[in-house]
Amino acid sequence: DQQVKQNSPSLSVQEGRISILNCDYTNSMFDYFLWYKKYPAEGPTFLISISSIKDKNEDGRFTVFLNKSAKHLSLHIVPSQPGDSAVYFCAASGAGNTPLVFGKGTRLSVIA
Amino acid sequence: DTAVSQTPKYLVTQMGNDKSIKCEQNLGHDTMYWYKQDSKKFLKIMFSYNNKELIINETVPNRFSPKSPDKAHLNLHINSLELGDSAVYFCASSQGAGYEKLFFGSGTQLSVL
Repeated sequence: DQQVKQNSPSLSVQEGRISILNCDYTNSMFDYFLWYKKYPAEGPTFLISISSIKDKNEDGRFTVFLNKSAKHLSLHIVPSQPGDSAVYFCAASGAGNTPLVFGKGTRLSVIA
Repeated sequence: DTAVSQTPKYLVTQMGNDKSIKCEQNLGHDTMYWYKQDSKKFLKIMFSYNNKELIINETVPNRFSPKSPDKAHLNLHINSLELGDSAVYFCASSQGAGYEKLFFGSGTQLSVL
């Protein structure tokens, strides 16, 4: 049972344009959401997070939007750069000592 | 200076063998984890230790035994390896045991032949 879903396995974007990566979740108890970025042969690295009391969090070129009623979040990268090419994992957590639940990831390719 | 380091990076072995993967973190974190990324690319929690105490043990075969000699180390020992154990295993750490962003090691690619 996939509690965190990333329905697009891959996305290709031109350099300088906006990249939008989507994530849906099913567990209404989730209240903290994170995005991780992973390069080949490396572990995932934390990118940005958002708690359920917010609907937007911004960090430089990266913005995460949360729509709790739709159980949907998205990561916007603007402008996209070739170095952003990686696999992006969405993750969610609930209250207490609950572990992060990850999606399957979306492979982003930014074309120069 | 690697924050979360795990060894070996690659591990190729025969079915039935016993192997270990080591993990160390120098971040001073209290909690360490093992995650498995299977062929379908899901990252799934296996174990979580907080200050050397097991706090999460997902439905993992008991052939997998984590050992935490101190809060900076969490090793994973696997007995009687099976073909289905082939995956990438990631060690991670966090300051606390919940709501925390994780710091991951670079992964161990295990191939069971």
